[in-house]
Amino acid sequence: ETGVTQTPRHLVMGMTNKKSLKCEQHLGHNAMYWYKQSAKKPLELMFVYNFKEQTENNSVPSRFSPECPNSSHLFLHLHTLQPEDSALYLCASSPLGAKGATEHTGELFFGEGSRLTVL
Amino acid sequence: GQNIDQPTEMTATEGAIVQINCTYQTSGFNGLFWYQQHAGEAPTFLSYNVLDGLEEKGRFSSFLSRSKGYSYLLLKELQMKDSASYLCAVKDSNYQLIWGAGTKLIIKP
Repeated sequence: ETGVTQTPRHLVMGMTNKKSLKCEQHLGHNAMYWYKQSAKKPLELMFVYNFKEQTENNSVPSRFSPECPNSSHLFLHLHTLQPEDSALYLCASSPLGAKGATEHTGELFFGEGSRLTVL
Repeated sequence: GQNIDQPTEMTATEGAIVQINCTYQTSGFNGLFWYQQHAGEAPTFLSYNVLDGLEEKGRFSSFLSRSKGYSYLLLKELQMKDSASYLCAVKDSNYQLIWGAGTKLIIKP
């Protein structure tokens, strides 16, 4: 059983829909991440939160909107997506390193992902 | 730019040994990671190398040469359950993880 849980596991939506992906971790970690995984491509980091504060937004289109209400929960709100946004969206968490918020220990604990299909 | 290269796919036989290579060009280096990802499942941490040399953990070993920008993951006594994708990732000078596209390993009986 993974310590990071994502729902829903599968989602099909039209380009005009609004939906949200949810991630929950009970590992006591203070850093949480959204990644996009497309076939045969490297993982793409989308957003990073440290202690509920967003620290990175890697040029992600505004149709993706993250929310981190507390250190255990992370959401990704989806609005007017495009077919090329179809992918596996992975949530991860990690403990922070001794150097503070700018260093992550590196070992990530991933959820099983939400498979998104945009029609 | 930063880049991680690893083979797209490899095939090996049950009981044999396989070596998955990873080469990297990054802005600085603060460690290299290997993750395993079974189809439809979460990636899981396998190993971490920050110093040159071989780290052994059961049937799996990971090697690093920082001067060559090179690592490999060695899997011994292959089992069918080892069929998975293996992801190489490097932490750069800003502690950002740079990922390879993954190597899909197919194990045949």
